[in-house]
Amino acid sequence: DTAVSQTPKYLVTQMGNDKSIKCEQNLGHDTMYWYKQDSKKFLKIMFSYNNKELIINETVPNRFSPKSPDKAHLNLHINSLELGDSAVYFCASSLGQGSLAYEQYFGPGTRLTVT
Amino acid sequence: SQQGEEDPQALSIQEGENATMNCSYKTSINNLQWYRQNSGRGLVHLILIRSNEREKHSGRLRVTLDTSKKSSSLLITASRAADTASYFCATATNAGGTSYGKLTFGQGTILTVHP
Repeated sequence: DTAVSQTPKYLVTQMGNDKSIKCEQNLGHDTMYWYKQDSKKFLKIMFSYNNKELIINETVPNRFSPKSPDKAHLNLHINSLELGDSAVYFCASSLGQGSLAYEQYFGPGTRLTVT
Repeated sequence: SQQGEEDPQALSIQEGENATMNCSYKTSINNLQWYRQNSGRGLVHLILIRSNEREKHSGRLRVTLDTSKKSSSLLITASRAADTASYFCATATNAGGTSYGKLTFGQGTILTVHP
């Protein structure tokens, strides 16, 4: 059973389009995250939710809107896609209040290419 | 700003040799975590060391933490070709004055182990 799953794995789209990435975890964790990994492999946190409540919003453009319908799911919707949005997006989850005590479990990533 | 910086950026060794990767950071931390990322995959947690710990072992992995120097090292002993991956350190701190944690990742060390 996959612990943290993301769909789709690959996403190729044109500038200006709107797209969504879905994430689900079956670990019973309370906290979920979205990260962006750029072409130089630099991994930066974007958002964090704890039990459906937004905890972290790291100066991400308003075009990115996370939604957590329940604590097992955290989706990412991106409006008006730009070339600079091309990256690999990772979902992750952890127990409790996040990384102060616990490790994170990562999904396989979604490679987004904007043309 | 980036919290963790890793050294070296790339390391190439022969199977059976030891591999040492270093991580430096700038601010006080709650804990420091090491992750491995195989090419095209998500990150996998290796080890977590708390700020009041100095050394931790897990199988062939040994992690040290020196909070006075704000640095950590990951040693992989008797390396195998399967250890070929990128290795990231991540520092856990409080997220914006909350009681929730967030991870800030370094840029990683690319380890290549030749059979």
